[in-house]
Amino acid sequence: NAGVTQTPKFQVLKTGQSMTLQCAQDMNHNSMYWYRQDPGMGLRLIYYSASEGTTDKGEVPNGYNVSRLNKREFSLRLESAAPSQTSVYFCASRQTSGSPGELFFGEGSRLTVL
Amino acid sequence: DQQVKQNSPSLSVQEGRISILNCDYTNSMFDYFLWYKKYPAEGPTFLISISSIKDKNEDGRFTVFLNKSAKHLSLHIVPSQPGDSAVYFCAASKYTGGFKTIFGAGTRLFVKA
Repeated sequence: NAGVTQTPKFQVLKTGQSMTLQCAQDMNHNSMYWYRQDPGMGLRLIYYSASEGTTDKGEVPNGYNVSRLNKREFSLRLESAAPSQTSVYFCASRQTSGSPGELFFGEGSRLTVL
Repeated sequence: DQQVKQNSPSLSVQEGRISILNCDYTNSMFDYFLWYKKYPAEGPTFLISISSIKDKNEDGRFTVFLNKSAKHLSLHIVPSQPGDSAVYFCAASKYTGGFKTIFGAGTRLFVKA
């Protein structure tokens, strides 16, 4: 039971480099999310996709772009990485219905920007 | 501007006693409130939720209380067990074409044996 799979799990970048975090879910969920976790800040929503073909900004979207490639996959791109983007990134998904239901999270991707 | 606030970074409780984790929110338009639990090096996992039209929801040892007038919710764990030691996140969801979920900063719970 894979659930939500994120790659890579660890990455070190230099300032200005670009990279894409990949996320895939095998639960046929409609909605997918990207969060970042920083000490003392909790989980902050970067972008989310309520359904295939739609994306919306969250609390901290600046410096990021997303693509909902298909129903399974939702990628997060850093075009020009900055040290402030050093964080642990979590992808999540949920099956949208009349109630929010639970979010299922991946194991996280730890990104360090030097 | 944090819409969901957990003002206690940590809480220490003796095994068998009650743990009470608190959460405040600022937006009265949230539709649901949820609690998640997180162990180190793992993703958060869902614990319990409550609709904004209810004031209590119970699931085994876990009970969530919602006080809408005070914009406050709390999670009660009775009895607390050492395996409950983790970071607990309060979250709030609002429907905007899809459910947008905002999290608090988290409270680290230590349950001492």
